[in-house]
Amino acid sequence: GAVVSQHPSWVICKSGTSVKIECRSLDFQATTMFWYRQFPKQSLMLMATSNEGSKATYEQGVEKDKFLINHASLTLSTLTVTSAHPEDSSFYICSAAGPRTGLFWVYNEQFFGPGTRLTVL
Amino acid sequence: GNSVTQMEGPVTLSEEAFLTINCTYTATGYPSLFWYVQYPGEGLQLLLKATKADDKGSNKGFEATYRKETTSFHLEKGSVQVSDSAVYFCALSVSGANNLFFGTGTRLTVIP
Repeated sequence: GAVVSQHPSWVICKSGTSVKIECRSLDFQATTMFWYRQFPKQSLMLMATSNEGSKATYEQGVEKDKFLINHASLTLSTLTVTSAHPEDSSFYICSAAGPRTGLFWVYNEQFFGPGTRLTVL
Repeated sequence: GNSVTQMEGPVTLSEEAFLTINCTYTATGYPSLFWYVQYPGEGLQLLLKATKADDKGSNKGFEATYRKETTSFHLEKGSVQVSDSAVYFCALSVSGANNLFFGTGTRLTVIP
């Protein structure tokens, strides 16, 4: 099946530093990647959607200058949390979808990475 | 707007017990409904889905029926196993979009 990996699985950093999280599709070409954030006991919240080779589309309320997303290849997307602060501590999850093969209104399945836990001290 | 309300956990059951995890939704338009499962240390996996009213999604002994009249998509399994221990997420996607709206997740622990 389709496998998506994330690295690192957990990271601790000091306030003010930047942290990069990688998301890789291991056995398929991911034309679209998604980044989610999950707070304890809360839903996964979509942060942004990125298509390979183009700028990411951010959800309302997500600071694009703080959460930099790069999707430079069909197998790799990165999320960089710039100048991290304790309130950025969270569980970050990526997902990836391959080229749409069905009709436009049909959901194109996303495959999820295992997540990265970020703790900012 | 679009949202999913899911039964809060955690849920602890004995092996072979009956499982129900409630899920209700609100949606603009005509949503597709999903259940995802996350086993320890792994990413979310699609467990089952239903794309129109009265559809029943099923997989690995789990079932859920798309009930438009009650805006619900409750997950059921007749006899749970220890290996079913995981976190279960209900989600929806609105036609034409690829965004997923998730519930808060329900942690299930099955004890021998």
